[in-house]
Amino acid sequence: EAEVAQSPRYKITEKSQAVAFWCDPISGHATLYWYRQILGQGPELLVQFQDESVVDDSQLPKDRFSAERLKGVDSTLKIQPAELGDSAMYLCASSDRRTYQETQYFGPGTRLLVL
Amino acid sequence: GESVGLHLPTLSVQEGDNSIINCAYSNSASDYFIWYKQESGKGPQFIIDIRSNMDKRQGQRVTVLLNKTVKHLSLQIAATQPGDSAVYFCAEVGAAGNKLTFGGGTRVLVKP
Repeated sequence: EAEVAQSPRYKITEKSQAVAFWCDPISGHATLYWYRQILGQGPELLVQFQDESVVDDSQLPKDRFSAERLKGVDSTLKIQPAELGDSAMYLCASSDRRTYQETQYFGPGTRLLVL
Repeated sequence: GESVGLHLPTLSVQEGDNSIINCAYSNSASDYFIWYKQESGKGPQFIIDIRSNMDKRQGQRVTVLLNKTVKHLSLQIAATQPGDSAVYFCAEVGAAGNKLTFGGGTRVLVKP
């Protein structure tokens, strides 16, 4: 069964350092999402891509977060500089088509701890 | 603002019993709802969805009920098994097709 891949699974960093997370969606899925999940809460959308274009980044803290999907396949989410409050699970999801009403399949996530 | 929430943060269930997880939503314009299951250390896993033109949908051992009058969503798990132990999230999508909004989650603990 096809799955969304993410790496690394765990990341520990010190505040003010830069971190990057990678996501490879299910093959053929045009839409890719990055979510942030704080422990005990539901995921919150950071950014949505349709192919290589950003269609929604209204909740992305653009002063320190950036995301790209240059070839419309895999994607990277970067934080620079990391802050203590960035400690969370970062989830990637993909879906077959553009609408949020298409089933989103999630990867295992990257758990970030900022010290 | 609009939100999706859950009544019970933790639900303990005896193995073999049925489980009912509840969710209240406040956006009356939402027209698509999804239940996700999240096991420890894993990403959310799609369980079942329902559109606002339906009030019930059944899957394998799971049933979702939608009551639009009181803006309430529930997930029923039949014959709960140890593998059902996880956190369950409801999520909604508005009629305008805006983003998926998740509730806070309910932890289900299955006792042997």
